[in-house]
This record gives sequence, structure tokens and C-alpha cells, in this order.
Amino acid sequence: AQSVTQLGSHVSVSEGALVLLRCNYSSSVPPYLFWYVQYPNQGLQLLLKYTSAATLVKGINGFEAEFKKSETSFHLTKPSAHMSDAAEYFCAVSSYSSASKIIFGSGTRLSIRP
Amino acid sequence: DAMVIQNPRYQVTQFGKPVTLSCSQTLNHNVMYWYQQKSSQAPKLLFHYYDKDFNNEADTPDNFQSRRPNTSFCFLDIRSPGLGDAAMYLCATSRDKLIRRTESYEQYFGPGTRLTVT
Repeated sequence: AQSVTQLGSHVSVSEGALVLLRCNYSSSVPPYLFWYVQYPNQGLQLLLKYTSAATLVKGINGFEAEFKKSETSFHLTKPSAHMSDAAEYFCAVSSYSSASKIIFGSGTRLSIRP
Repeated sequence: DAMVIQNPRYQVTQFGKPVTLSCSQTLNHNVMYWYQQKSSQAPKLLFHYYDKDFNNEADTPDNFQSRRPNTSFCFLDIRSPGLGDAAMYLCATSRDKLIRRTESYEQYFGPGTRLTVT
């Protein structure tokens, strides 16, 4: 079975500060891991994905995430927050063997203070 | 650009009046999904099609039905909407086969349809 835990339902940072959104996963098979972003009244957009190639994954809008197997983590970071980063962020896990299931975390709402 | 399209973006229906939401895709993906998302929650999978094979989630109410007449289109029918069915409905697609280990089953989402029930 697979699961995802996102620590912190709401994170607030100042503009220009480091963004760190935490995600821990549980998987009995090698996982695929994703971060999606959702702006108000929009669908989900893929930010980045881990597919067992490089452990440090770079995504769109300056975000990156590092896969740490020993910590079962896939935290999302951005060095300098921008006002346009305010959104809901979802971490998700799936497996190589199944097209049918992506398991989403509960989401983290990111707010940016001027 | 290849994409997932949902119409309408906003839908208002009356309590108990059937409503249909539509989704189309130009990605030529064999797998299509319908999710329900309520405020400040993660998307909840209702069902998915693996090509023409329909797969219902165990806890999806019978009130929700779906049709997929061809690869490009998929519909969500809500037979008798209740106030609790007001939500954002998201359509997504994914590929069904991986050729390389570096590929993955990421899902591509449409913009969603926000359903209001009055």
C-alpha cells in the first residue's frame, strides 16, 4: 500500500524567503513521486516528478525537490518565494506497475507575505 | 498544445435536476479519470476508464455515472444532485503503458468544473 503525508496544512513565508513544503511517503515498491500545484479555481498542474533517475529534481517556476529514500521524504523547496507562488500544493505517489492510482496528500496551502 | 478541456467551467443546477459535465482531451491517452474536490481537500477519485473498461471506486455513490463514447471524450452524469455534491469536478488523463523506467503515470488535469447546487 502507498500513502503520502504532508506536514503542515498551511505554510506562510515572506516574499523572497525560502519555501519548504514537507512530504513523506510510504510505499512497498519503488515509488514515483510528484508535486502538483493548484491555483484558485484551476485544475492541478504538475510541478515536478521523481522517476528514479536523479534524486534532485528540478521543476517549473524555480521549484525543486530531493528524493531521500532513507528518510522516505520528497520535500519541495524554492530559494526565494514570489507572490505568484501562493497556491495549494499537493504531493502524490504512484507505482511503476499501475496506471490507475495516484495517491494524493492532503495538501499544503502556501501564503506569501509582502 | 495537447490538453485536457472541461466544459462548462461553472455549472449551476437545481437540487435533484440531472446534470452532465464534459471532458475532452487531445493527448490521446487511454486512461481518463474523474475526481471530486471539495474546498481545502485533496481530489477524491470517483472512477476511471482504462480504455473502454470502467473502474468504479468502492465508495462512489450510485448517483454518479460516467460515459466514454470514444478515446477523446468522457462525461460525468450526476443523476440527482444533492447539496453535498457541490464541488469542483476535475477530469484527468494519463498514459497506460510505460516504455522507459524514466516515464511515469503522471496525470494531466483539466481546469475543472465548479458545480453549484441550489
